[in-house]
Amino acid sequence: NAGVMQNPRHLVRRRGQEARLRCSPMKGHSHVYWYRQLPEEGLKFMVYLQKENIIDESGMPKERFSAEFPKEGPSILRIQQVVRGDSAAYFCASSHGTSGSSYEQYFGPGTRLTVT
Amino acid sequence: KQEVTQIPAALSVPEGENLVLNCSFTDSAIYNLQWFRQDPGKGLTSLLLIQSSQREQTSGRLNASLDKSSGRSTLYIAASQPGDSATYLCAVGYGGSQGNLIFGKGTKLSVKP
Repeated sequence: NAGVMQNPRHLVRRRGQEARLRCSPMKGHSHVYWYRQLPEEGLKFMVYLQKENIIDESGMPKERFSAEFPKEGPSILRIQQVVRGDSAAYFCASSHGTSGSSYEQYFGPGTRLTVT
Repeated sequence: KQEVTQIPAALSVPEGENLVLNCSFTDSAIYNLQWFRQDPGKGLTSLLLIQSSQREQTSGRLNASLDKSSGRSTLYIAASQPGDSATYLCAVGYGGSQGNLIFGKGTKLSVKP
């Protein structure tokens, strides 16, 4: 049973370009969470999705950021017109549910975005 | 506001010592609490998950306790080894539609041989 997969592992973008980060949850998991880790900061929640639905996007910046989790395929975190302040590690996690032991979140290796 | 605090921010110990990492949270209505390990430049590895109804969980040399009413958890590491060197993160979950975890900033542990 493969773990949470993220790609690319490293992404370099120039200011103003678009960044697309992909996350494939663990097999059987239908809940996906995106977190951002800025240098010397803790992990901060961005968005929580289930298949085809955004459940909670309270941690996502209002501008330039969007996320989706389609019926088929990976979850995508999209950052338009990147700025240097977007440079961070972006982690995806998945869980089977949100109750009992099914709530345990498993994390991917992260995508390290560098904006030049 | 729901916040998680970890003390100390950094800890350096000689190999073989037993040690305790602390985590406190402001909103005690948690659903569960997870301890993670993060190696430099890597992702997070889940170490232990404690449900709100539980008092402790054990895995090998690790023991995590939870005192929900006082808003505290501790991670006890027995007989520390250099391979335990990493950042340890505490995260609380509130369940339901608030599915996300709220993280502390971590304790950076260095175990010297």
